[in-house]
Amino acid sequence: GQQLNQSPQSMFIQEGEDVSMNCTSSSIFNTWLWYKQDPGEGPVLLIALYKAGELTSNGRLTAQFGITRKDSFLNISASIPSDVGIYFCAGLSRGAGSYQLTFGKGTKLSVIP
Amino acid sequence: DTEVTQTPKHLVMGMTNKKSLKCEQHMGHRAMYWYKQKAKKPPELMFVYSYEKLSINESVPSRFSPECPNSSLLNLHLHALQPEDSALYLCASSQAWEGGIEQFFGPGTRLTVL
Repeated sequence: GQQLNQSPQSMFIQEGEDVSMNCTSSSIFNTWLWYKQDPGEGPVLLIALYKAGELTSNGRLTAQFGITRKDSFLNISASIPSDVGIYFCAGLSRGAGSYQLTFGKGTKLSVIP
Repeated sequence: DTEVTQTPKHLVMGMTNKKSLKCEQHMGHRAMYWYKQKAKKPPELMFVYSYEKLSINESVPSRFSPECPNSSLLNLHLHALQPEDSALYLCASSQAWEGGIEQFFGPGTRLTVL
């Protein structure tokens, strides 16, 4: 089956630093999604990428859909304490009447004030 | 309104109990999903409903029984669960085909099986 390799697994950074995380896949996806999950809560969609090469920003977040359609990265600039959480990449594939997500294993971000 | 709601927030049940998890969305989405998430792991897909019909069952044990009474509601009926079924159960919804295809997640139900 499809697998996503997400790295790094965890990060400890100082407040104000920039953060970068990425996902690679053995399969092609037509859409990449990035979610953030706080403890005990559901994942919240941050950015959706629909085209190979697409670069999309959402405030301090920037994500890119790789040209090969097998990878994506997420950057967070000038990190703040509320950025703490687990970030998941997800590749979207089309099934029978629905879309299915394949998740990466997540990147746990800790921000030191 | 981009909200998916889930009830209850927390549930503790014994192995002989019968309980139900509920999910609701009013975004007009025609695909709804149940995921199971263990601690420090990504969500794992359990079921997909498309246009109120079960389209995907990821080999989930029969002690989990999904139901989609209408296009806005999704239930997960639980019976004779095992302690290893304790997890965060997440509901999500999306457009089935056209338009936006992002999945929006609810806050989850934290289930503990004793």
